Amino acid sequence: GAVVSQHPSRVICKSGTSVKIECRSLDFQATTMFWYRQFPKQSLMLMATSNEGSKATYEQGVEKDKFLINHASLTLSTLTVTSAHPEDSSFYICSARVPGGSRGYTFGSGTRLTVV
Amino acid sequence: KNEVEQSPQNLTAQEGEFITINCSYSVGISALHWLQQHPGGGIVSLFMLSSGKKKHGRLIATINIQEKHSSLHITASHPRDSAVYICAGLFMEYGNKLVFGAGTILRVKS
Repeated sequence: GAVVSQHPSRVICKSGTSVKIECRSLDFQATTMFWYRQFPKQSLMLMATSNEGSKATYEQGVEKDKFLINHASLTLSTLTVTSAHPEDSSFYICSARVPGGSRGYTFGSGTRLTVV
Repeated sequence: KNEVEQSPQNLTAQEGEFITINCSYSVGISALHWLQQHPGGGIVSLFMLSSGKKKHGRLIATINIQEKHSSLHITASHPRDSAVYICAGLFMEYGNKLVFGAGTILRVKS
């Protein structure tokens, strides 16, 4: 149980275009989702906290207008990378707290974004 | 200095060996997580613990709150255990956000 489905797993896009990444909680309601970015051989860094029905909370240094987060329902959060640049190429992964779970958090399978 | 320090950074073991990965943290946490990340990138949460010890199959996680230290043990290691193991603390100081260690790259040879 407590699965977060993330799509797409891999995307290649051209510079200047926008890319949307979806995270969906399949068997539970997630009022909060977390979006992370991971550079090669580095650990995960929290980008923003997505809250259902309200604005996302962004970490310091993360551009709100570049990384648009929408948490439209209790089961869906989206991250849109706008005007993508090669520097945005990275691994993006979402996570949600498991309600009453003994393992704490469940993670999406991640999205490998390559901007060419 | 990262609030969460892991050691070793890289670990190569022979199949069947007992493996220990260590994690230390600098300030108080409400819980500590052990995660497994496979080469494709997907992350699996192995344990969340705030005291004592937990066991799941061949995996054992322990935490010593006073010493601010946690260990992940793998008994009878197998090549399929090869992955990156990450500890992450839920720090009260940071509004209960997860702060991740750099990870330990484990390779188990057959």
